Amino acid sequence: DTEVTQTPKHLVMGMTNKKSLKCEQHMGHRAMYWYKQKAKKPPELMFVYSYEKLSINESVPSRFSPECPNSSLLNLHLHALQPEDSALYLCASSQIHGGASYGYTFGSGTRLTVV
Amino acid sequence: GNSVTQMEGPVTLSEEAFLTINCTYTATGYPSLFWYVQYPGEGLQLLLKATKADDKGSNKGFEATYRKETTSFHLEKGSVQVSDSAVYFCALLDPQGGSEKLVFGKGTKLTVNP
Repeated sequence: DTEVTQTPKHLVMGMTNKKSLKCEQHMGHRAMYWYKQKAKKPPELMFVYSYEKLSINESVPSRFSPECPNSSLLNLHLHALQPEDSALYLCASSQIHGGASYGYTFGSGTRLTVV
Repeated sequence: GNSVTQMEGPVTLSEEAFLTINCTYTATGYPSLFWYVQYPGEGLQLLLKATKADDKGSNKGFEATYRKETTSFHLEKGSVQVSDSAVYFCALLDPQGGSEKLVFGKGTKLTVNP
């Protein structure tokens, strides 16, 4: 299995809703990432997990809450989002200390619309 | 800090034309370099990579050579197809830079017309 699977593919939520994005990989990668991509822009790093522990938080607002329950799963919990949070959310994974040699594997993303 | 500079797009070519997308980088150490491709409505796919100077990455007819002397990693393809229409991102990962964060260029949109 060489894929990163993200669900749902599309999500529309109101500003008072609570929702979660899910990401799963079975490649044995111990580093997992959340990126946010706005239209016509490159992906921006949000969070990095290494060995299921949060290692990097790029000053992301607290309305985004990541969780890594095990080595295969990564969640992003969403609460009280704003319309400007509408974007494509990408999950990625890589080998620990091997990302430089092999790169990251990205999922297809969740297209989030906040109304 | 680490950064990647790509040529501004969009780039529009006719089928079978030659493609070059320029990419230069700034890094504190000896980074690995990547080209990712994003087709409309999809996530990013790794197109090719190079991990040290003079390495040539290649895939699907695309090539890029890691040039340390010019800090460049230009993407080339000899004959593009309509199916190559996508956004291309140059990226670097510098394991010596304190964290293994993938740094992207701004992306170059390629449109290939029949």
